[in-house]
Formats: sequence, C-alpha cells, structure tokens
Amino acid sequence: GAVVSQHPSRVICKSGTSVKIECRSLDFQATTMFWYRQFPKKSLMLMATSNEGSKATYEQGVEKDKFLINHASLTLSTLTVTSAHPEDSSFYICSARDGRQGGAGELFFGEGSRLTVL
Amino acid sequence: QQQVKQSPQSLIVQKGGISIINCAYENTAFDYFPWYQQFPGKGPALLIAIRPDVSEKKEGRFTISFNKSAKQFSLHIMDSQPGDSATYFCAATLSSGYSTLTFGKGTMLLVSP
Repeated sequence: GAVVSQHPSRVICKSGTSVKIECRSLDFQATTMFWYRQFPKKSLMLMATSNEGSKATYEQGVEKDKFLINHASLTLSTLTVTSAHPEDSSFYICSARDGRQGGAGELFFGEGSRLTVL
Repeated sequence: QQQVKQSPQSLIVQKGGISIINCAYENTAFDYFPWYQQFPGKGPALLIAIRPDVSEKKEGRFTISFNKSAKQFSLHIMDSQPGDSATYFCAATLSSGYSTLTFGKGTMLLVSP
C-alpha cells in the first residue's frame, strides 16, 4: 500500500518558537494532502486541506497565520506551527490521497507528530 | 454539518469473541466507507473499506456489513485477539475529487486475554 512519511515523530520546543512538520508521499504523487490535529482519546479534527501549488484551505476556527501550510511539490507538504504555545501541544497527523488512475482513492496517513510546547 | 455517528465509545471483548462497532452516516452522496485502526502514538492505518455497491466485505477476521437503505455500516472482528486492542474509527467520504474523510468519534476496543 501507499506510504506517507511524517517527520519528526516527536518534537519538544520552547514557547514562542516555530516548529515545522513534514509530510511526504513516498510512492505516489499527492495533489492534495490533509492536516489533522488529534487530542488524547479524541477523533481526528481536520485543520486544513493542502493543495499543491496553491493556498491551503483552512477549516473554520483554525488560524491560518499560526498554522502555515506549504505544499511545494506533489510529494511534500509542510505544516509550520508559528510562535508555539503550550495549548498548541497536540498530535498532528497528515494524510494524502492516492489518486492514481485505477486506484481506489484511499486516504493514507502518516505516523503522526507529537508536539510538546514547554 | 456532515456527521458520522459511531458507537459504542468503548468496548471490552474477551479473547476469541466477536467485536462489533457500528456507524451511521447522513450524506447519501458518500460512496466510500473505510475503517481505520489506530494504536497509541501512531497514525491511523487503513483496515478495510467498502463501497455501497456491496452489502458485505470480508478480509481475514475483519468484515464490514453495509446497509445502504438504513445508511449504516458496521465492523465485525471475529476471533478477537489482544493485539486487536486499539481505537477504531469509521469514516465516510466521496471517493472522487479532493474530499477528505468525515470521521466517527472512535471506539476504544480492549480485548482481554
């Protein structure tokens, strides 16, 4: 099956700093990637849809200036948490759709990135 | 808002038993219904998925039952094992275009030895 790689898996940073999380589709091109946030024992909450070569589409309530998303190529999307604060501590997960012709259009997820802001 | 309602919230099953998780959706346009398994600290992994043109799909010990008229689908885990202990999410989406998934709230399954 398709593989989505996410890096780093864990990051600890000081309050006020910025953190970048990378999401790569390893064996397919992903025109669209999705970024989720997950709180403990909760479901995944869609933050934004990342489209290659264009601006991301953010869900209601998600600050686009705080969560910067860049989708510079068909295999890479990045999420940058700017001026991170302790309330931004969470599990961030990316996903990508395998849209190859003949594929089932499944959505594959990265392993997630645990962000802890001190 | 489009919703997928999942139940139960948590489930304890003895080893060898059958685990059953149910989901109901609202949007009749949805045409792809995957189930994801998530272990603590990991991203969700696609377990099994079904499209509305069939009423059942089986892969090993995992079976999806789909009732289009009732807008419901369920996951059955036969011969449940302790290694199946995880959180399971049902989801629904439009398979074409750039639609993301609408997730259920998840079910924490514990299979006791």
